[in-house]
Amino acid sequence: DGGITQSPKYLFRKEGQNVTLSCEQNLNHDAMYWYRQDPGQGLRLIYYSQIVNDFQKGDIAEGYSVSREKKESFPLTVTSAQKNPTAFYLCASSPPGHIAKNIQYFGAGTRLSVL
Amino acid sequence: AQKVTQAQTEISVVEKEDVTLDCVYETRDTTYYLFWYKQPPSGELVFLIRRNSFDEQNEISGRYSWNFQKSTSSFNFTITASQVVDSAVYFCALSEARDYSGAGSYQLTFGKGTKLSVIP
Repeated sequence: DGGITQSPKYLFRKEGQNVTLSCEQNLNHDAMYWYRQDPGQGLRLIYYSQIVNDFQKGDIAEGYSVSREKKESFPLTVTSAQKNPTAFYLCASSPPGHIAKNIQYFGAGTRLSVL
Repeated sequence: AQKVTQAQTEISVVEKEDVTLDCVYETRDTTYYLFWYKQPPSGELVFLIRRNSFDEQNEISGRYSWNFQKSTSSFNFTITASQVVDSAVYFCALSEARDYSGAGSYQLTFGKGTKLSVIP
């Protein structure tokens, strides 16, 4: 089945530690996105990538890093510089075409907590 | 900057009641796209509908219907004869066709969501 797979479902981070959230898609989509969701809040864009080896910062990129070495994969690293990482992280992808009108399809999310 | 407001934070209805979720948006563009997503307790966002700014026809899909009114910048969502399975957080979102940031960014801006609880 085609879809977006995020792993792990739950992740715990110790103080000063970097952690990486995985996002893989087999939909042959060009664009991929990372969002952060806090309780009672909408989704805020962290990073997005329209093509392999290229990515752009979103509204809240500080303390995060990404890579896009393969079309199918867009991992997100939460670095120790992110002082408040506890949140629900959602990965999405969208098909080719005008990015503004494209429907974004979402994974099931990763819930990150700080120990 | 584009903005989406969902004034209703939480709504509770009894099963079989109709319920309308409000969405008001702000944009400087004449061409834009509006979306509704559903987030059940499992967490994954599920796409429901996309509407472009030139199409003001209301849409009905089963028990779901959407009322798009450019004059009031609103894109409201109605669930008829609600069911327990409709319990979820619903998000309205907006993207502008033009990149005003100059960074090649076409951001999808989400409202804060409305949590709908349908009580049996």
